[in-house]
Amino acid sequence: QVQLQESGPGLVKPSGTLSLTCAVSGGSISNNNWWTWIRQPPGKGLEWIGEIFHSGSTNNNPSLKSRVTISVDKSKNQFSLKLSSVTAADTAIYYCARRAVYYNYYYMDVWGKGSTVTVSS
Amino acid sequence: EIVLTQSPGTLSLSPGERATLSCRASQSVSSTYLAWYQQKPGQAPRLLIYGASSRATGIPDRFSGSGSGTDFTLTISRLEPEDFAVYYCQQYGSSPPMYTFGQGTKLEIK
Repeated sequence: QVQLQESGPGLVKPSGTLSLTCAVSGGSISNNNWWTWIRQPPGKGLEWIGEIFHSGSTNNNPSLKSRVTISVDKSKNQFSLKLSSVTAADTAIYYCARRAVYYNYYYMDVWGKGSTVTVSS
Repeated sequence: EIVLTQSPGTLSLSPGERATLSCRASQSVSSTYLAWYQQKPGQAPRLLIYGASSRATGIPDRFSGSGSGTDFTLTISRLEPEDFAVYYCQQYGSSPPMYTFGQGTKLEIK
């Protein structure tokens, strides 16, 4: 059973870069899945950040695109998120999730527990 | 970008009652692109329904999804105490490829 675990600094300074890693266990990151980042500001709803395939192909949210870098490390079975030029508006719980490739369906079926990131000086 | 609007914002019901949650899209969405999630406080979202009407693995049959085009519904036939949570709908759009979520419906105990 695939499990995901986010890790990274819980505090980032304004204008800095947020960096998170999602470790995949119980399965290979090279399987036929897309690996996704989603965030949730305190008390608010869900926002999709972007996704990556093991080949390195990515899709990102246009509203964040210029600040987002998602990468994959197959040797470590993990993928990562970098979000640059952060402000207080980027304070959120950051989730990694799996988007299984299944016919023409699009959904996230496995989620990490989430990593809280606060942007503050 | 397709916008999903969920209603009501908050739904107050008692255990044993039937819950009907709505998700309306700003333009037509393929049914295969529509999913529903449940989120409890302090937890990650959990997939309930994909393809508008298919239950995810392990989801009780009191949860059902329906709809097409711009109007989708999540129905919980008989509420159990553990069903009180926030529910989100999600859709996939292909141009450009991206996912959007509704703002959520909070299902609370009356």
